[in-house]
Formats: sequence, structure tokens, C-alpha cells
Amino acid sequence: EAEVAQSPRYKITEKSQAVAFWCDPISGHATLYWYRQILGQGPELLVQFQDESVVDDSQLPKDRFSAERLKGVDSTLKIQPAELGDSAMYLCASSLVGPYEQYFGPGTRLTVT
Amino acid sequence: LAKTTQPISMDSYEGQEVNITCSHNNIATNDYITWYQQFPSQGPRFIIQGYKTKVTNEVASLFIPADRKSSTLSLPRVSLSDTAVYYCLVAKGGNNDMRFGAGTRLTVKP
Repeated sequence: EAEVAQSPRYKITEKSQAVAFWCDPISGHATLYWYRQILGQGPELLVQFQDESVVDDSQLPKDRFSAERLKGVDSTLKIQPAELGDSAMYLCASSLVGPYEQYFGPGTRLTVT
Repeated sequence: LAKTTQPISMDSYEGQEVNITCSHNNIATNDYITWYQQFPSQGPRFIIQGYKTKVTNEVASLFIPADRKSSTLSLPRVSLSDTAVYYCLVAKGGNNDMRFGAGTRLTVKP
């Protein structure tokens, strides 16, 4: 069964450093999502792509976060500089059409010290 | 954007049927209802989706009354491995607008 790949699985970084996460969606999935999940809470949508275009980044803290999906396939989410409050699980998901059935990757657990 | 309300937690025992109800009073005409399951340290996993009446698949059933202001996820004969957080989402058909709430933490006891 095809899966969404994410790397790294775990990342520890010091505040003020830059950090990047990578996601490879299921082949053929045009829609890609990045979520942030703080322990004990539901996932919060950060950015959504349709192919290479951003559809929704209203919840993305644009002063420090950036996301790209240059060729409409894999995607990178970057934080610069990282802050203590950024410690969370970062999840990537993809879907064929719209939001109906999203397939999630295993996530990247970020710890900022 | 339709807001959803679910119980924070539920307990059950192995072999019982579990029903988790989600309230979505402001659901719009073209909104679909989707449920996800999440285990610790994993991404959510799609369970079931519906628009009205009843939907059933190999793992769950989804009951949606005529007014569509609530929905009930039914898990038949739960086992310990069904212990997880369950999320109810309402998403507009053709519109990429989906928000997760806090979910319902289900604990299945032996």
C-alpha cells in the first residue's frame, strides 16, 4: 500500500536555528497538506497545496515559516528561526481530490531547546 | 465553517459497541462528514465519510439524521487496539476547508 513519506522522524534543534521537514506524498495525489499538532490537541492546518500552488496558508506564521512544492510533487516546510513554542509534531498528508480522504505520513517530532 | 463538538473522552470494554456522537449545528448543504482515528505518535487515519443517512464499511458505521446537525460513529465489538483519539470533521464538497477539533479519546478496557 502506498504511503506518505516524511523525514526526519525526529528533530532536536536549538531555538533561533533553522529546521526543515520533507514530505513525499502518495504518487498522483495533487493535494498536499502540512499540519502542526501540539500534544493533546488536534492537528492544525498550516498550509495546503494544489499541485504546486498554495491554496490556503492563512494559519501559517509567515514571519518564520515557509513551505514550497516546486514541482507539484514533494514538499518542504521550513522554520527559521525556531522558537520554543514550535515544539510539536509536524504532519504531512495528501489526497487525490479535495479534503475528502487524506492520507497522513508518520510525522516529524520537533523539539526546540 | 461548521464547528464540531465531541465528548472529550469515553471508556468502553472489549466486545462492546461504541457510539461517538459529533454535533455540527452549522453544517452547510454541501458539507461532508468525515471521521479519523489517531494512535499516539502516528498520523490520523481515515475511517469513514458520509453525507446523509447511513454509511457502513468494514470497520465502522456512520449514522447521519435527516437534519444532518449531528452524526454518530459506531464501532462494533471494540478491542483494546481501538483505543485511540477519534476526530469528526466537516468539510465542504469541492472546497478545501477542513479543521480538526480536539477529538474524543476512547479507552477500551479488558
